[in-house]
Formats: sequence, C-alpha cells, structure tokens
Amino acid sequence: NAGVMQNPRHLVRRRGQEARLRCSPMKGHSHVYWYRQLPEEGLKFMVYLQKENIIDESGMPKERFSAEFPKEGPSILRIQQVVRGDSAAYFCASSPGQGAYGYTFGSGTRLTVV
Amino acid sequence: AQTVTQSQPEMSVQEAETVTLSCTYDTSENNYYLFWYKQPPSRQMILVIRQEAYKQQNATENRFSVNFQKAAKSFSLKISDSQLGDTAMYFCAFMKRGSSGSARQLTFGSGTQLTVLP
Repeated sequence: NAGVMQNPRHLVRRRGQEARLRCSPMKGHSHVYWYRQLPEEGLKFMVYLQKENIIDESGMPKERFSAEFPKEGPSILRIQQVVRGDSAAYFCASSPGQGAYGYTFGSGTRLTVV
Repeated sequence: AQTVTQSQPEMSVQEAETVTLSCTYDTSENNYYLFWYKQPPSRQMILVIRQEAYKQQNATENRFSVNFQKAAKSFSLKISDSQLGDTAMYFCAFMKRGSSGSARQLTFGSGTQLTVLP
C-alpha cells in the first residue's frame, strides 16, 4: 500500500499562471481532504470530497480555487491566476470512512509563486 | 467555531528524558475527537495518538500518552524516553463528532517544535 501520493512535491509558478496539484488516496479510501499550511502555521482545512462530490468546501477561497475528485483518477486541487499569497504547502489526506480515526496524510506539495 | 491553542512554540528535551507538550481548545461541542500529529523535517504528517472525548481513560501508544482534562479543555501529550527521531513539529487537532460533512474538518493548533538533544 503506497499511502497517499501527492505530486508534484515542489511546484513553481509565475504570478498569473495556473497550479494543478494531484492527490491519489490510499487504496480503499473514498474520502479526500485538502489542507493548506502557510509558513510557521498549522494546517487549515480547505475542502472535503468524496468520489464525484464536494461535501464541504467551507475553507476554500471563493475565487480562483477549485477541487474535484472524479470517478476515475486522482483528486485535483486547481488554483487559477496564482498570486504570491498562494505560496504554501498543500496537503492531501484520505480516510476510509469519515475520518473519526484520523486521516492518512500525503507528503504535501510545496507551491512557490514567483 | 473551534479553536486550538498550543502555547509553546518551541521545546527541547534531553534524549531518554520525558517531555510534556500542552494543548488547550475551545468548543461548545460535547462529542468530539482530539489528535496529536507530528511533522518531521520530511514534512509528512503522522498521526501519533487519538482520544475520544466521551472516554474517561487517557489514550496511550507506546511511549506516547495524553492527559485529557475535558472540563478544563486540556489535552497534553507526554513523550517518555525521548528519542532523537522524536524531533519534529507537533500539532494538536480537534474534530467534531457528527454525521454532517462539516464535522470531518480537523482544526489544528499552531504547533510546537520539539528538539531532542543527544
């Protein structure tokens, strides 16, 4: 079992470009969560998805950010027209049920906007 | 809304000694879960220990144990026989217990950087 796989590990984008972050959950896990970690801070919830459904996106910025978890393939977090303030580590996590036993996290994608 | 506070940004401990990391939280919920995660330099978030609020007994996982004081809303982590590999950032986290999707958010504290000294 390969765990939660995130790629790329590091991503550099110029201001105004699009960033696409990928997350493949653990085998057998149907619940996916995205969190953002700004420098020197804890993780902040962004969105919770199940296959083909967004369950809770209360932590997502209203503009430029979107997430999906299609029937086939990885979950994608998309950030359009990136700005310097989007620079952060983005973590994906998955769970088999609704996370009451804790999630399994990926190693994160560090996004740097230059 | 829930808040989680970790008042110790940095701590250090000698190898083989015991250290306690503090965490307090604020919630109006009665049923919830509490977690400690560690984040070593590799950046991977690793679950250390979990506590269910309705259980009186403190959770224990090998060298890691918690002191859960529900009335005081306190959830400290004790690491016994500290090892060099315990050096990491430690995050306390809260999750509501419920059936709605929003109940599955983890709310994290700001973290405590623990350094184990040889």
